[in-house]
Amino acid sequence: GAVVSQHPSRVICKSGTSVKIECRSLDFQATTMFWYRQFPKQSLMLMATSNEGSKATYEQGVEKDKFLINHASLTLSTLTVTSAHPEDSSFYICSTRAGGRADTQYFGPGTRLTVL
Amino acid sequence: AQTVTQSQPEMSVQEAETVTLSCTYDTSESDYYLFWYKQPPSRQMILVIRQEAYKQQNATENRFSVNFQKAAKSFSLKISDSQLGDAAMYFCAYRRGVGGTSYGKLTFGQGTILTVHP
Repeated sequence: GAVVSQHPSRVICKSGTSVKIECRSLDFQATTMFWYRQFPKQSLMLMATSNEGSKATYEQGVEKDKFLINHASLTLSTLTVTSAHPEDSSFYICSTRAGGRADTQYFGPGTRLTVL
Repeated sequence: AQTVTQSQPEMSVQEAETVTLSCTYDTSESDYYLFWYKQPPSRQMILVIRQEAYKQQNATENRFSVNFQKAAKSFSLKISDSQLGDAAMYFCAYRRGVGGTSYGKLTFGQGTILTVHP
């Protein structure tokens, strides 16, 4: 399957700071990337859909000014958590879609964010 | 909106035995895909099996098979000859077919934690 990387794998930051998480598609061009959030022992909740060269589409209830998404190239999407607070502590996972009707999504290994 | 329900928060099975994980979904669409994903302790999501709604034949991948009941909107996963490495959280997921702003989005169930006893 395709390889998707995320960086960093884990990050600890102070409340009020901003954190950037990168999602890279290593072996194919990803026109669309998805960002999910997962709390311990819970399901993945879609936060936003990132399309290369256009604005991200956010799910209802997700603050777009707090979770900034930039999909500047076909291999890189970034999620920036601005002015992070302890309640933003979570596991963030990206996935990529290569395109086509029967395509399969490939998931990154995730980033664990802890806000102190 | 589509919903996916996994009613078994936890399941356990003896090594080499068979276990079935349940999943139901609700949709008004006729064109969609269903998936089972595995999330081991590493938290890396791994695709286990995929089913196209237009196919009547149940998908099979080695020890993993599904029972797809379209009319009942049921999509269960059967794991045969369970192995210790099968221990993980399993998610059922739905994706619509083609087109629309939500194309490609996965809707996940709540997950089922599977424990495999030696």
